[in-house]
Amino acid sequence: GAVVSQHPSRVICKSGTSVKIECRSLDFQATTMFWYRQFPKQSLMLMATSNEGSKATYEQGVEKDKFLINHASLTLSTLTVTSAHPEDSSFYICSAMTGIYNEQFFGPGTRLTVL
Amino acid sequence: RKEVEQDPGPFNVPEGATVAFNCTYSNSASQSFFWYRQDCRKEPKLLMSVYSSGNEDGRFTAQLNRASQYISLLIRDSKLSDSATYLCVVILEYGNKLVFGAGTILRVKS
Repeated sequence: GAVVSQHPSRVICKSGTSVKIECRSLDFQATTMFWYRQFPKQSLMLMATSNEGSKATYEQGVEKDKFLINHASLTLSTLTVTSAHPEDSSFYICSAMTGIYNEQFFGPGTRLTVL
Repeated sequence: RKEVEQDPGPFNVPEGATVAFNCTYSNSASQSFFWYRQDCRKEPKLLMSVYSSGNEDGRFTAQLNRASQYISLLIRDSKLSDSATYLCVVILEYGNKLVFGAGTILRVKS
């Protein structure tokens, strides 16, 4: 149980385009979803916390207008990187948490490369 | 100062060796502690929670020292499959925000 999927697993795009990443909890309802970013040889950094039906809470230094998060249902959250630039190239990972357990279950990640 | 600090390694050990990693955290109000394992280009996976009294899961033993604000992970009888990056993770007193260390690289060689 507790499977989280992400799509796409890898994306390469041109600078200036927008990229949408989906995060789905497949066998449970996620009250909260989290979006992380990990640059090479660095730790995972929390970008934002997303609750179904409400606005995401962004961490300090993360631009909410650049990283749009939508949590439309208890099983789906999306992250859109708008007008992506090469410095946005990173490994984006989502996680989902149920209301029953405090454990976060991680998706397999999306590797974004902006040319 | 980083909230969670780890020695990046790499730790290169032979199969069968015992290896220990330490981690320090800066916020004394931290409440929950974990070790995660991350393989190259993969998502992190929970290895074990760390309890105040210390806990063991097979070849893995975790310890917490609140007074010194450090957490340790001991791996006995290392296997090739233990090669990975080990992430020390802390939850602060409020909310569910996981704070990750940068990880310690372990390479087990035959």
